[in-house]
Amino acid sequence: NAGVMQNPRHLVRRRGQEARLRCSPMKGHSHVYWYRQLPEEGLKFMVYLQKENIIDESGMPKERFSAEFPKEGPSILRIQQVVRGDSAAYFCASSPQDTSSYNEQFFGPGTRLTVL
Amino acid sequence: DAKTTQPTSMDCAEGRAANLPCNHSTISGNEYVYWYRQIHSQGPQYIIHGLKNNETNEMASLIITEDRKSSTLILPHATLRDTAVYYCIARGGSNYKLTFGKGTLLTVNP
Repeated sequence: NAGVMQNPRHLVRRRGQEARLRCSPMKGHSHVYWYRQLPEEGLKFMVYLQKENIIDESGMPKERFSAEFPKEGPSILRIQQVVRGDSAAYFCASSPQDTSSYNEQFFGPGTRLTVL
Repeated sequence: DAKTTQPTSMDCAEGRAANLPCNHSTISGNEYVYWYRQIHSQGPQYIIHGLKNNETNEMASLIITEDRKSSTLILPHATLRDTAVYYCIARGGSNYKLTFGKGTLLTVNP
């Protein structure tokens, strides 16, 4: 059973470009979470999605950031007009349909975004 | 979620047990204690979680004090590959957000 997949693993963008980060959850998981880890800091929650629904985007910056999890295909985290401060590692996690307290989140390997 | 406090760093000799403490004195009755670790440049890895009973799995044991104000993660025979940052997180059953602090950097020495 493949784990959470993220691509690309490394992404370099110039200021003002768009970054698109993809996450394929584990098989059978329909809940996806995105976290951001700035250099020398812990992970911070960004957004929680279920298929075709954004459940909680309280951790997302108000502008330039958006996320989706379509019925078919991976979850996408999109950053428009990137700035140097967006340089970070972005991690995706998934959990099973049953979101009881017994369920842990499984993390992907992350995408490291570098903005030049 | 309750705030957790962990030492910044710890060292352990290879083959010995690593005991990582965590303080969560304000934990509420419905909050579980979760442990994750992050090996350099990788995604966090789930280790174990518990509510009030001690728990054991193939990776580690979790000892929670009777008053639930603190816990200890035990890696029974640490290896060099266990060198990582270990995060202790208190999370309510209905709360899906994991709040990562700075964790404990465990260095396993040969």
